[in-house]
Amino acid sequence: ETGVTQSPTHLIKTRGQQVTLRCSSQSGHNTVSWYQQALGQGPQFIFQYYREEENGRGNFPPRFSGLQFPNYSSELNVNALELDDSALYLCASSLAPPGTRDYEQYFGPGTRLTVT
Amino acid sequence: GQNIDQPTEMTATEGAIVQINCTYQTSGFNGLFWYQQHAGEAPTFLSYNVLDGLEEKGRFSSFLSRSKGYSYLLLKELQMKDSASYLCAVGTGFQKLVFGTGTRLLVSP
Repeated sequence: ETGVTQSPTHLIKTRGQQVTLRCSSQSGHNTVSWYQQALGQGPQFIFQYYREEENGRGNFPPRFSGLQFPNYSSELNVNALELDDSALYLCASSLAPPGTRDYEQYFGPGTRLTVT
Repeated sequence: GQNIDQPTEMTATEGAIVQINCTYQTSGFNGLFWYQQHAGEAPTFLSYNVLDGLEEKGRFSSFLSRSKGYSYLLLKELQMKDSASYLCAVGTGFQKLVFGTGTRLLVSP
C-alpha cells in the first residue's frame, strides 16, 4: 500500500475521444510523474509536475497534457485517442523535490485504458 | 540515447538463488532502481543504488558498478510469490525514470 490512488481502475474509450485519468498522492508529495506502460513493456515517462508546474516531459505529443492541484491530486488528459494509447497509465509521487539524488517514487495501482 | 537491457525471462526453482542482470547507457545518472511488478499491478520499489557496491535488504540484494554501466538484483531463498516481472530503471535527473522492458521471473516448485 503506497498511499497513492488512481481512478478509474479500468476504462474503455473509442478512437478520437478524450479521456481524463486521476491520481491522488500522499500529503506532502509535491512531485508527481505519469508513465505509460504498454503490454509487455516497461513504463515510459510522460511528464512530471512539481508544485503545479510541468517540470519535464518525455517523448509524448502535446495531446497528452496534465494538471496538478494544491491538494496533491493530479490529472492526465489525452485528446484524440489512438489505438496505440491502449496501456496501463501509472502515476508516481515523491516527497523529494526534483533534482535531489536520493529519492523514491511511490506508484499508484494504475488505470488500464483500452481504446477501440 | 537511453538504453537499458535486461533478460526477457528467467526461470528458477523454489528455494534457489537467481541473479537478474541489467546494463544501461543513459544520458544522465541519478541512481539505479529495481522494482517488482506482479501482473496487472503497479511496480513496487525494491532497491536503490547510487554508489558502487552491494546493498542488501533481506532476501534481496542489489549491486551497482557505475563504470561498467551494470547492475544486478539477487534474490535468495526464492518463494513462489517472487514470480513477477523485475524492472531495472535509471534515474536520469528530476526523478525521470528510464525503465528497461523488465525480466519475467517464473519460480517453480
